[in-house]
Amino acid sequence: DQQVKQNSPSLSVQEGRISILNCDYTNSMFDYFLWYKKYPAEGPTFLISISSIKDKNEDGRFTVFLNKSAKHLSLHIVPSQPGDSAVYFCAASEGAAGNKLTFGGGTRVLVKP
Amino acid sequence: DAGVTQSPTHLIKTRGQQVTLRCSPKSGHDTVSWYQQALGQGPQFIFQYYEEEERQRGNFPDRFSGHQFPNYSSELNVNALLLGDSALYLCASSLNFNQPQHFGDGTRLSIL
Repeated sequence: DQQVKQNSPSLSVQEGRISILNCDYTNSMFDYFLWYKKYPAEGPTFLISISSIKDKNEDGRFTVFLNKSAKHLSLHIVPSQPGDSAVYFCAASEGAAGNKLTFGGGTRVLVKP
Repeated sequence: DAGVTQSPTHLIKTRGQQVTLRCSPKSGHDTVSWYQQALGQGPQFIFQYYEEEERQRGNFPDRFSGHQFPNYSSELNVNALLLGDSALYLCASSLNFNQPQHFGDGTRLSIL
């Protein structure tokens, strides 16, 4: 039973445009959601998080939106840069951001110059 | 400021053997978690240690065990290795339960 799903395995976007990554979850007990970026041969790097009491969180070029009723969240990257090319993972936890993380399968983003 | 460090980076074992992977958390972090990432999938939670005790555990068999030392570093032990244990093993640490986890670069374990 996959509790966190990223239905788009890959995404290609032109440099300077917006990248939108989507994530769906089924467990209503999740109350923290995080996005990680992963380059080849490196560990995941924390990008941004949001708690279930909010519907939007912004940090520089990265914005995460949470729709609790739809059990859906998205990550917007504006503007996209070639260095953003990586695999992005959505993750969720119950009770606290540092608790057990349940990950989606990842979305590979390619930003074309 | 060193991040999360893991050793070794690569390891090759044969079926039935035992393996120990090591992790040093980021400076000041006291909580350590371990994840298994199979090729093409997201990481899966194995367990989390805090104050030298296993605090949370995922759906992994008892062949997977761990330890946390007084200096907060941690070990992951896997006994009776199976071909399906081939994966990238990631260690993550956090300042406390309310802070996001930060990951090391992982240990790539290959079982022949």
